[in-house]
Amino acid sequence: EDQVTQSPEALRLQEGESSSLNCSYTVSGLRGLFWYRQDPGKGPEFLFTLYSAGEEKEKERLKATLTKKESFLHITAPKPEDSATYLCAVQSGDYKLSFGAGTTVTVRA
Amino acid sequence: EAQVTQNPRYLITVTGKKLTVTCSQNMNHEYMSWYRQDPGLGLRQIYYSMNVEVTDKGDVPEGYKVSRKEKRNFPLILESPSPNQTSLYFCASSPGATNNEQFFGPGTRLTVL
Repeated sequence: EDQVTQSPEALRLQEGESSSLNCSYTVSGLRGLFWYRQDPGKGPEFLFTLYSAGEEKEKERLKATLTKKESFLHITAPKPEDSATYLCAVQSGDYKLSFGAGTTVTVRA
Repeated sequence: EAQVTQNPRYLITVTGKKLTVTCSQNMNHEYMSWYRQDPGLGLRQIYYSMNVEVTDKGDVPEGYKVSRKEKRNFPLILESPSPNQTSLYFCASSPGATNNEQFFGPGTRLTVL
């Protein structure tokens, strides 16, 4: 069974204080690893897809990286508007998707 | 506007009363999926469909049915709802199974008494 574990569960940051979120996974035949952002009361919003170890993607203050066993989401100099829950998901060989429980990030001004 | 719509957004029902939650997308996407989200458990995939008339079980399919007769619609059916199906449900779609940038609907909050 595919498993996705995210850590920490919650992260409180001061504005400008960079940090990283971790997503470790076990999957049968990884087709892709995805990062989403979810705001309270809304559906998740797509951020990145990573397909192979060593791949990196960037978007504004966010950078996602992938190794064979885990992915990191780096938040550089965060702002209060970066406060959200960040979700990691993996797609297995049979196209099934498994999500982690998420990391809730709070950025204080 | 490209979007995934779900109806109803909120539903309170009683045990055993059949219900359907509709999902529709206007982006001509091939891949559609249903999830439930529960505190501490994250999003769990119920069913997914890679194209019309093709559906597969996700991690938690028990107690649910789906159908994909048209590309744009992917309804979720609870034949005999039970209290443990009280949850927040999301429908999502993506261009294809190998391009899985998913667009999520706004969610349906279901309470089964």
